[in-house]
This record gives sequence, structure tokens and C-alpha cells, in this order.
Amino acid sequence: DIQMTQSPSSLSASVGDRVTITCRASQGISNSLAWYQQKPGKAPKLLLYAASRLESGVPSRFSGSGSGTDYTLTISSLQPEDFATYYCQQYYSTPQTFGQGTKVEIK
Amino acid sequence: QVQLQQSGPGLVKPSQTLSLTCAISGDSVSSNSAAWNWIRQSPSRGLEWLGRTYYRSKWYNDYAVSVKSRITINPDTSKNQFSLQLNSVTPEDTAVYYCARQQDQQLSGLGAFDIWGQGTMVTVSS
Repeated sequence: DIQMTQSPSSLSASVGDRVTITCRASQGISNSLAWYQQKPGKAPKLLLYAASRLESGVPSRFSGSGSGTDYTLTISSLQPEDFATYYCQQYYSTPQTFGQGTKVEIK
Repeated sequence: QVQLQQSGPGLVKPSQTLSLTCAISGDSVSSNSAAWNWIRQSPSRGLEWLGRTYYRSKWYNDYAVSVKSRITINPDTSKNQFSLQLNSVTPEDTAVYYCARQQDQQLSGLGAFDIWGQGTMVTVSS
């Protein structure tokens, strides 16, 4: 199985801050990477796929980059509605696996 | 607009079978370009993919090794839905269960989980 490791596991930030979350795969996944946002009591919501493609309806302050084993989610200017937990997920091979999550909290 | 609506009991006794259903609207369980998944989430295991069913001229299933001996995912074309059965449950199977859709990407196989059900909290307890 491909292991997905996110860092940090949590962070505190203020509205307007630039936030970066990283995700490392245990082997190359050829950009078959998605990022999700989850709020308490809700299902995960797809933000980006193919490492850098924005899902329809997702604000452009979210962006993704990376290749091979290392990927990044960036929120350019954190908004109040962005406080949530973020997960990366690889769909390069079965079983599809998720990172452990990064909780973004208000500073 | 594609939607997934989950149904099923929230409490299951140990050693019994967990059964959930996911009703699809706005798409077809028989689509040649989608796959229909079950995923669960617990504090101890995080988000864990369990398995999927999909149709490509015939029906296919993929299952996670961790549950392969206990899981069945079945499509129901008459009701446009799919189901999860997990046998011989233990308290370790307590989790929020989600159904989710994957779509084919051009030339790249199945992609991310773009549509999710609302989630069902299932507790395994006597």
C-alpha cells in the first residue's frame, strides 16, 4: 500500500495568512493526488485533483502543486470559512489511501 | 446535479452484519465511466477506503485487503443504488461510513472522489 504522510498535523493561522500543507507519498504517484476539505459532521469535499486542478466551484485561493512523491496545498489568503481539516489522497493505485489530515485552526 | 443518499441502521451488534445502502440520483450505477465506493472514517483509522463496484461491460469489484474476507458491495440497477455488507463486525468497525463516486479521467483511469454521501455513523455494540 502507498502511505501518505501529511505535515503539519495541525496549524494555527489568522485570516489573511498564506497557508501551506504538504503531503508525501511513499512512492511516486504521477500526480494522481487529490485534496479534500472536511468540516465537523460533514463529508469531505473535493478541492483539487490531479495535484493542481481546481474542482468546479472551489475558490481560486486554493492551489496545488508537486510531482513524484511530494505535493503541496496552498491557501493564498485564509478566509473564516477555511478553518477545517484537510486531507490528501492518492488514487494512483488500489487501495486508495489518505493522509492523516491537517487541522487548520484560528490563531 | 448528482447526489448520493445513504440509509441504514446506526447500531449493529457484534458478530452481526452491517448493511448500508447508497441511492444515486443524477447518475447511473451502471455508468461506464464511474465507480461507486464505500469509505469509512474513525479516530483510530482515519479515512479508510473499503471497496468499490463498477461496470465496464460487466461488473467488477475491488476490496481493501483489511476487510476482503468480510465485505460485499453490490449494485442494484433496478433501484439505481449500491450497497455495503460487512460481516462479523466488531467494535473496531465503529465508524462513520460514506459512499462516494469516482469518475474516469481522460486516459488516466479513475480519479478522485468527487461526490460523497452524507455519512452514516455506525456503532458496533451489544
